[in-house]
Amino acid sequence: DTGVSQDPRHKITKRGQNVTFRCDPISEHNRLYWYRQTLGQGPEFLTYFQNEAQLEKSRLLSDRFSAERPKGSFSTLEIQRTEQGDSAMYLCASSLGHGLAGTGNTIYFGEGSWLTVV
Amino acid sequence: RKEVEQDPGPFNVPEGATVAFNCTYSNSASQSFFWYRQDCRKEPKLLMSVYSSGNEDGRFTAQLNRASQYISLLIRDSKLSDSATYLCVVNGVAGGTSYGKLTFGQGTILTVHP
Repeated sequence: DTGVSQDPRHKITKRGQNVTFRCDPISEHNRLYWYRQTLGQGPEFLTYFQNEAQLEKSRLLSDRFSAERPKGSFSTLEIQRTEQGDSAMYLCASSLGHGLAGTGNTIYFGEGSWLTVV
Repeated sequence: RKEVEQDPGPFNVPEGATVAFNCTYSNSASQSFFWYRQDCRKEPKLLMSVYSSGNEDGRFTAQLNRASQYISLLIRDSKLSDSATYLCVVNGVAGGTSYGKLTFGQGTILTVHP
């Protein structure tokens, strides 16, 4: 499978615990994105990387959230001291290109990592 | 006001019906526009880009009205397999501040029944 891969697909954690999600983009895609989606809503932008550089972060990305893409390939999204409001699907996406997101370069999403905080 | 607004529906239509979805966006400087499709508990997938001149892909027609900041999607001859959530999507504003951001509407739920 050469699509965007996310791991784990499902995670149940207790409030206050830390969780980490991993995303492996499509090979050679220089851009990698993280989105969050809650029930009944569209995905919300969290952050994106161009190669290893994190170029934009949403205000949704509080101090408890951190994302890395150390070698410009896979990325991790860590949530510290999880809260019930963090329960959502975390979507990773990747694309190849340098222009505006989605323009001339299709953005491909992974199947998502579902987080439930109890 | 939300950046991208859609009628959430749900729309329940019989097979063969024509259904139209509407979407408005708030940032007049937005550059590119898309419709994504999302099946239940699955990832969003690009359905089609939307161009100012309007564009068609089989049974699907997308239109953009920049003056009104309005985007539409028309599905003709609906199939059972068209049942999904349709997401209106707008990308960032030229200038470097939002190159990575796609802004999604909340989605419109479509159910096509026999």
